[in-house]
Amino acid sequence: LAKTTQPISMDSYEGQEVNITCSHNNIATNDYITWYQQFPSQGPRFIIQGYKTKVTNEVASLFIPADRKSSTLSLPRVSLSDTAVYYCLVVVSGGFKTIFGAGTRLFVKA
Amino acid sequence: GAVVSQHPSWVICKSGTSVKIECRSLDFQATTMFWYRQFPKQSLMLMATSNEGSKATYEQGVEKDKFLINHASLTLSTLTVTSAHPEDSSFYICSAESGDEQFFGPGTRLTVL
Repeated sequence: LAKTTQPISMDSYEGQEVNITCSHNNIATNDYITWYQQFPSQGPRFIIQGYKTKVTNEVASLFIPADRKSSTLSLPRVSLSDTAVYYCLVVVSGGFKTIFGAGTRLFVKA
Repeated sequence: GAVVSQHPSWVICKSGTSVKIECRSLDFQATTMFWYRQFPKQSLMLMATSNEGSKATYEQGVEKDKFLINHASLTLSTLTVTSAHPEDSSFYICSAESGDEQFFGPGTRLTVL
């Protein structure tokens, strides 16, 4: 299982764009990159998943360079409610276990 | 998206008693479910992989006799913390895979007095 490295914490202000970068140097061919959001005392919530290039949904964008050794989660115009821990995971679909790294604590200030 | 529920959402028990936590996939079937434990300010730690109809696979350092896992149906997995002690107090989270996504339950807060 590929190990991921993310910044431990980040601070931002309301309305700003936040980019969280994750390193996964040992990513394998069949691995997908998935990001989860977790609020205190709640289970993780799926944000976005991608394999290469760029993926965008209604809440975030995920940028993956050609070598796939890193990825960047982009949250446009964050609000106070985006304060949470964000986990970058490298996963293989099909019932394989998922190992969580330390995650990034994002604190959005008014 | 698919929904995973957990019951109870929180439980308080006395030291030495056993506690059962249920994890259900509400609108899909899951042959594989996962159990995690999370201590305050820490990440999720995978405890075991629960396989329907067969024995669970435990991660290194997790006592299988203390954390009993049963996955008797395609929609239900249970985790029983036997002879609980205060150090077992934690947030227990289950997950189940549907398609290419893994869906997490809301978690169960266990407090052992």
